[in-house]
Amino acid sequence: QKEVEQDPGPLSVPEGAIVSLNCTYSNSAFQYFMWYRQYSRKGPELLMYTYSSGNKEDGRFTAQVDKSSKYISLFIRDSQPSDSATYLCAMTGGSSASKIIFGSGTRLSIRP
Amino acid sequence: DGGITQSPKYLFRKEGQNVTLSCEQNLNHDAMYWYRQDPGQGLRLIYYSQIVNDFQKGDIAEGYSVSREKKESFPLTVTSAQKNPTAFYLCASSYQPHSTDTQYFGPGTRLTVL
Repeated sequence: QKEVEQDPGPLSVPEGAIVSLNCTYSNSAFQYFMWYRQYSRKGPELLMYTYSSGNKEDGRFTAQVDKSSKYISLFIRDSQPSDSATYLCAMTGGSSASKIIFGSGTRLSIRP
Repeated sequence: DGGITQSPKYLFRKEGQNVTLSCEQNLNHDAMYWYRQDPGQGLRLIYYSQIVNDFQKGDIAEGYSVSREKKESFPLTVTSAQKNPTAFYLCASSYQPHSTDTQYFGPGTRLTVL
């Protein structure tokens, strides 16, 4: 079983829809959670960074962490064609020996 | 204009050849990383370096080698011992060598073995 599971998609939604992207994980030591956006043939860029459980909002993006369920989500409101990309979740335990574990990514397409 | 650059963008290698991928950063970051990305898989850590003249193996170091002679540079050599080298290679850096520190990625190099 992978430490981090992410549905690869592809996910296709119409412009303006609310998008929900999710990851599950198995390691209860993970405390720091990230979402990266990766456009085709480009490197990933950090979108959201959260610590422990709770919600964090930044513009049209909301990151949600539920540590009791080992489940994290990224919501995109008023989705735009420019949001079409692959979204990678990532997480780490935060200790000096920790590494960042990445999900495999969900490919998202926003239809105009 | 700060950032991470990788070259070349595309690289083709014949069987049995060694190739070197370049990664340079001008962000004054201490830590640098090399990842490999394959379809349907998350980024997998090949090597990382927390400081100049020091580097550590990641999860899939076999068939790869690195050097860190300068803070700004962290080249990756894909040797002929790497059995399945065709992949997208990503270099990243972070200000501090700690997993909680944000990693910034370069644009990647796509390596294809002919």
